[in-house]
Amino acid sequence: GQQVMQIPQYQHVQEGEDFTTYCNSSTTLSNIQWYKQRPGGHPVFLIQLVKSGEVKKQKRLTFQFGEAKKNSSLHITATQTTDVGTYFCAGPGANNLFFGTGTRLTVIP
Amino acid sequence: EADIYQTPRYLVIGTGKKITLECSQTMGHDKMYWYQQDPGMELHLIHYSYGVNSTEKGDLSSESTVSRIRTEHFPLTLESARPSHTSQYLCASSEGWANTEAFFGQGTRLTVV
Repeated sequence: GQQVMQIPQYQHVQEGEDFTTYCNSSTTLSNIQWYKQRPGGHPVFLIQLVKSGEVKKQKRLTFQFGEAKKNSSLHITATQTTDVGTYFCAGPGANNLFFGTGTRLTVIP
Repeated sequence: EADIYQTPRYLVIGTGKKITLECSQTMGHDKMYWYQQDPGMELHLIHYSYGVNSTEKGDLSSESTVSRIRTEHFPLTLESARPSHTSQYLCASSEGWANTEAFFGQGTRLTVV
């Protein structure tokens, strides 16, 4: 079946350091979405990427969609304590949206 | 702010009880989903719906059932709760299948004792 793996599973960074999470799909994706879930909260949509090689930025966050549309990355520059949470990528399945395994980010002040 | 609501937020219930988790959205979305998530872990799709009178099982086998009699309402029922059902249940909806963002409710944290 379709699988979306994310690495790393956990990441601890010192505040101010950069952070990157990678998302890899076993199949080509028509698009990829990214969500953030704060501790104790629910996933919240961040962005959607559609085009091969697309790069989008949201302040300190940079999202990239691979040329082959099978992988994606989220990079946070100069992390802050407000960045704490689990970041999920999500891709379209046959009949639904399925989520990657997630990367849990801890930011140490 | 997304217009999708789940009740209750927290529920502690005894083994063998029947429970229904409520989910309602006011966005007119046809697509609705139920995910099960243990704290800090993956989201597992357990049910989804194309629209009224349509329900499908997701990737993760679940003893729960769902119904979709009205567009805005997608309740999940457990006929006989067990401790293994302890988890967080997240409801979501979207306008399209997988090319539009999914809006999540705040979740129901269920504990079966």
